[in-house]
Amino acid sequence: GQQVMQIPQYQHVQEGEDFTTYCNSSTTLSNIQWYKQRPGGHPVFLIQLVKSGEVKKQKRLTFQFGEAKKNSSLHITATQTTDVGTYFCAATPNSGYALNFGKGTSLLVTP
Amino acid sequence: EAGVAQSPRYKIIEKRQSVAFWCNPISGHATLYWYQQILGQGPKLLIQFQNNGVVDDSQLPKDRFSAERLKGVDSTLKIQPAKLEDSAVYLCASSLSPSRGAFFGQGTRLTVV
Repeated sequence: GQQVMQIPQYQHVQEGEDFTTYCNSSTTLSNIQWYKQRPGGHPVFLIQLVKSGEVKKQKRLTFQFGEAKKNSSLHITATQTTDVGTYFCAATPNSGYALNFGKGTSLLVTP
Repeated sequence: EAGVAQSPRYKIIEKRQSVAFWCNPISGHATLYWYQQILGQGPKLLIQFQNNGVVDDSQLPKDRFSAERLKGVDSTLKIQPAKLEDSAVYLCASSLSPSRGAFFGQGTRLTVV
């Protein structure tokens, strides 16, 4: 399947610090989605980006889609312990319909 | 609104046995996905249906895995025969269309011993 690469694999921050995870593809994407999975849980849909250069915000979370539609980022401002979990990007290529996930970034927040 | 339902929640089988998982998607969702998630890894797409047709099964090990979505609603995923490396959580998800967000069930945790 089409590959979307995510970095970093892990991130450990102190509560109140910011956090960013990046998602990259070698091919142009139709759209990109972000999911959060809590330990022991299932992925939960957060947001979808479709347009080149799109930026969306959800409270402390900011999502961006690159101008070339090949990369995306999720930024969390002033992390809280409730932000703990693994954040996945998932994407559909321009040339197909398969929704493939990246390997995820695991976020640990210590008080 | 009811979410994606999966059963069973847990299953333990011996290698070379067969197993089947069932998924009932959110009502009205045309797209249904089966993912395999090994501990510590991202979900791996096994098969994606649009209504009752397959749109992607490129990562499905077809010598042992099969899936169907009769009548474009419920779906079953079967493994026959199972191998030790099939131990994973099998996640079913559904969406209104391939271009919309997917909603996941609780998953089935399979242990092959």
